[in-house]
Amino acid sequence: ETGVTQTPRHLVMGMTNKKSLKCEQHLGHNAMYWYKQSAKKPLELMFVYSLEERVENNSVPSRFSPECPNSSHLFLHLHTLQPEDSALYLCASSQEGAGGPVTGELFFGEGSRLTVL
Amino acid sequence: GENVEQHPSTLSVQEGDSAVIKCTYSDSASNYFPWYKQELGKRPQLIIDIRSNVGEKKDQRIAVTLNKTAKHFSLHITETQPEDSAVYFCAASITGTASKLTFGTGTRLQVTL
Repeated sequence: ETGVTQTPRHLVMGMTNKKSLKCEQHLGHNAMYWYKQSAKKPLELMFVYSLEERVENNSVPSRFSPECPNSSHLFLHLHTLQPEDSALYLCASSQEGAGGPVTGELFFGEGSRLTVL
Repeated sequence: GENVEQHPSTLSVQEGDSAVIKCTYSDSASNYFPWYKQELGKRPQLIIDIRSNVGEKKDQRIAVTLNKTAKHFSLHITETQPEDSAVYFCAASITGTASKLTFGTGTRLQVTL
């Protein structure tokens, strides 16, 4: 597999469920991101991990919990979500700082479509 | 923080016509301005970008212009084709990297036959 892959592509969950979104990048990048995409809103940055350390939180509710075990994998753990959390969650990666060419380009996955009932 | 506004929200053009999408930003320190295209059900992908040391950049049928004084930048698509139909997002960054991108709300472009 190449690029950025996300699983599952679709997820339906109740407000009391616990689920996780998974992201894997095969590009050798050192930064990974979670974005939320809702209709008629800008792409909202949720979390940034650079060199496996979280560097940005952007005041995301604690019901979203990220995990980055290594530079290739990123998870978003979900618990007690609200219906307004229904959205497309996009993972992305980029090369930041030393260790490779820094172009400023984000490489996105296809996204995980989440529906909270 | 940075605020990016994008207009129009929807745009319909006939095949062969030109399309222009405009964005304004608030932080004069922003120095990197990429454009992403997202086809229906697909991931956003970078199509062109510009840095603050240039005023215009072209790549075949697409071009981006930047006016730092007015703090706005635009995407121009000439000779539009049906495959140009997508949502286009502008963004701005103060660091020149992907880690500090602020996105606009997107423009849905429809190219009709």
